[in-house]
Amino acid sequence: ETGVTQTPRHLVMGMTNKKSLKCEQHLGHNAMYWYKQSAKKPLELMFVYSLEERVENNSVPSRFSPECPNSSHLFLHLHTLQPEDSALYLCASSQTLDTDTQYFGPGTRLTVL
Amino acid sequence: GESVGLHLPTLSVQEGDNSIINCAYSNSASDYFIWYKQESGKGPQFIIDIRSNMDKRQGQRVTVLLNKTVKHLSLQIAATQPGDSAVYFCAENGDSSYKLIFGSGTRLLVRP
Repeated sequence: ETGVTQTPRHLVMGMTNKKSLKCEQHLGHNAMYWYKQSAKKPLELMFVYSLEERVENNSVPSRFSPECPNSSHLFLHLHTLQPEDSALYLCASSQTLDTDTQYFGPGTRLTVL
Repeated sequence: GESVGLHLPTLSVQEGDNSIINCAYSNSASDYFIWYKQESGKGPQFIIDIRSNMDKRQGQRVTVLLNKTVKHLSLQIAATQPGDSAVYFCAENGDSSYKLIFGSGTRLLVRP
C-alpha cells in the first residue's frame, strides 16, 4: 500500500447524476493531485492542491469540481458527465510541491452511461 | 513540444531473463525522472528515480540509466519474475517540480 486511499474503487453513473470521488493520504504530505487515465493515453494532470489551495487547473471542464478541505483529503465532485469522461481517476500526493516524487492511490474506475 | 515517449509498447521476456525498458524524453530542462509500475487494477507504483546529476542508480533488482546526451532513460530489471508483469511508465518533471510528464507506457509480459 502507498498510503493513499481512494473510494469508491468503481463507480457507474448516468449523465445526469452527481457523485463524488474521495481521496485520503496518510503520509503527512502537503500536495495532492487528481489525474485522469484513459485507455491508450498518457496520464493527464487535472488539478493540483498545495496546503489546501488550488495551484493548478489544467483546462478541466467545469463538470469536474475539486475540493480540498484539508491537506489529507481531496474530493472530485462530478456532475452532468459525458460518456467520454469514463476513465480511471487517480489521486496522488507528494511531500510538498517542490518534492517531485508523487505517490498514487489505486484509482476509481468511472463509467458514465 | 514536451513529450515523453516509449520505444516499445510491449515487451515479452522469459522468466529469469533481464528486461530493459526504454524511454525517450524531449525537454532538456527536465532534471528529475521517475519510473512507475502499474499492475492491472492498481495505481502507478513508484519504482525508482534519478536526478540529472547522475547517470545510473540502482535499487533492488532494478537499475535506471540516464543518458542526457541523447535524452534517453532506461529501466533494467534483473532476473525478471512473473510479478514484474505490468505496465511501466517513465515520467519527467519538465519545467516544473510537480507537473510530471508521463509516457504512454510499456507493457512487460513475463513468460513462465
